[in-house]
Amino acid sequence: DQQVKQNSPSLSVQEGRISILNCDYTNSMFDYFLWYKKYPAEGPTFLISISSIKDKNEDGRFTVFLNKSAKHLSLHIVPSQPGDSAVYFCAASAIGSSGSARQLTFGSGTQLTVLP
Amino acid sequence: KAGVTQTPRYLIKTRGQQVTLSCSPISGHRSVSWYQQTPGQGLQFLFEYFSETQRNKGNFPGRFSGRQFSNSRSEMNVSTLELGDSALYLCASSLAGGLFSGANVLTFGAGSRLTVL
Repeated sequence: DQQVKQNSPSLSVQEGRISILNCDYTNSMFDYFLWYKKYPAEGPTFLISISSIKDKNEDGRFTVFLNKSAKHLSLHIVPSQPGDSAVYFCAASAIGSSGSARQLTFGSGTQLTVLP
Repeated sequence: KAGVTQTPRYLIKTRGQQVTLSCSPISGHRSVSWYQQTPGQGLQFLFEYFSETQRNKGNFPGRFSGRQFSNSRSEMNVSTLELGDSALYLCASSLAGGLFSGANVLTFGAGSRLTVL
């Protein structure tokens, strides 16, 4: 049972336009959400995060929106650039099952391709 | 400063064999987590170590094990390999675990690509 779902395996957008990547979650215990970006042959790198007490967080061209009632978050990239082409993973954090430490649960990723 | 280093980068094993993967975290980081990445499944959490103790464990069979040494370096071992164990194994480190953001961001290595024939 996937607790974090990215239902779109791929997305293509034109350079300069907006990219919107979506993520849904089922576990109401998640209280911190993150986005990671992964280029081929590299490990994922942290992009942006949001706490459940907020509904929006901006960092330059990247904005993450959180809708807790819908258990949905999205990442907006404006304007999109060819260098943004990568796999984007959304992740959610909650206290681990052992109760002693947090763990991250990742979605399956969305391949974003920005066309020049 | 040096990033997270994983060795070996690529390896091929046959069914029934065992494998050990190594991870050297960023200097000063005490938390090390392991993830398995397979196509369509994203990153599946294996386990997390902090100060040589396993703090969290994902839903993987007992064939998957790990340990952490006093210098925070970590190893993971998979015994009795199966075809389905073919994957990219990612190690990540952070200062102390926690929210994995801000000063405590989770930093990944490039991974060890395991192919089981």
